Parts: sequence; structure tokens; C-alpha cells
Amino acid sequence: GAVVSQHPSRVICKSGTSVKIECRSLDFQATTMFWYRQFPKQSLMLMATSNEGSKATYEQGVEKDKFLINHASLTLSTLTVTSAHPEDSSFYICSARDTGASGSSFLLKSSTDTQYFGPGTRLTVL
Amino acid sequence: AQSVTQPDIHITVSEGASLELRCNYSYGATPYLFWYVQSPGQGLQLLLKYFSGDTLVQGIKGFEAEFKRSQSSFNLRKPSVHWSDAAEYFCAVRRITGGFKTIFGAGTRLFVKA
Repeated sequence: GAVVSQHPSRVICKSGTSVKIECRSLDFQATTMFWYRQFPKQSLMLMATSNEGSKATYEQGVEKDKFLINHASLTLSTLTVTSAHPEDSSFYICSARDTGASGSSFLLKSSTDTQYFGPGTRLTVL
Repeated sequence: AQSVTQPDIHITVSEGASLELRCNYSYGATPYLFWYVQSPGQGLQLLLKYFSGDTLVQGIKGFEAEFKRSQSSFNLRKPSVHWSDAAEYFCAVRRITGGFKTIFGAGTRLFVKA
């Protein structure tokens, strides 16, 4: 099945520094990727939708200048946490949308329009 | 507003016993429905999904879920739980048209006792 990778899996940084997290779709092209944040023992909260070649769409309450998203290619989206502070410590999970259009058939069927999740990145800001 | 409710924060079952995790949703129309499992410190793995057709869907690891339109529910079941099933389970919904935004429930933590 499709695989989504994230790098790094775990990062510890000092307060005030910036951290970049990469999300890659390994065997399909993803025009749309999503970034989620998950606090301990809580659910996933969508932060933003990343569209290849255009600006990301942020959810209400998410600071776009703090969480910079770049989707420069069909297989890579990055999330940069700028000037990180301890309250930014969290588990960040990306997901990629596979519409099934990467292969020889360009018929878009809802059953192949699937969202695959990365393994997550644990960010700790000291 | 769209929402997903998982009324049980945590559930404990004995190994070999049956399991049912509840999920109710509030949506303008029947959405796509999903169940995901998350082990500690890991990402999400899709267990099963409902798009249309047969309301009883089979998933991986012996899980199944039944969609009941009249109750706006999509409960997850497993006839015999294994210790390795201990994890966090999330119900999620996504609208059929007009976007790909997935909304997650708060999750249910499953504990399995020997």
C-alpha cells in the first residue's frame, strides 16, 4: 500500500529556534497533504491543508506565520515551526491524499481517493 | 456543525472477549466513515472505511463496523480481542463532495487484560 514518511521522527530544540518537518509520499503523487497536531491523549486537530504549487489553507486559530507550510513538489510537503516555544511541543502528523491518478488510469474513483498518514514527529521544545 | 462523538474515553476488555467501540456523527448528509488505530507514539493505521453499499464493512485485523443511518452511528466490533489490540481507536468522517477535510473523534483507548 501507499506509504507516507516523516522526518525527523523525533526532535528536541531550544526555545526560539525553528524546526522543519518533512512529509513525503513514497509511491504516489500527492497534490494535497494535510498537517495535524495531536496533544497527549487527545485527538488529531487539522492545522492546515497543503496544496502543491499554491498557498496552504490554514484552519481557524492556526497562526500561518508560525507554522509555515511549503508544498513544493508532488511528493514533499514541509512544516516549519518558527520561533518554537514549549507550548508548541506536540505530536505532528502529516497525511497525503492519493487520488489514484498517479498510474496509467486517470479515472478518479472515490474508493481509491484515500488519505494515508505518516508515522508522526514528536517535537519537544525546551 | 459537523462532529464525531466517541462516548467512551477508555474501555477495558479481557483477552478473548468481544469488543464494541461506539461512534456517532453529526453531519448534513451521510459522509464517508473511517476507523483508525494508533499505537503509542505511532501514526494512524486505517482499519476500515465505509463509502456506500453494504452497511457492514470488514476491515483488517478481524475488525468490522456497521453503519446505521437511522442512528448516525458507525460502531466498530471485534468478536475476540487480542492483547495486541490495545491501542487508541479513532472514528473519523469526511464529506463526500466539496473537499477532503477529515474530522476525527476524540478517540477511545482500549485496554486488554489477560
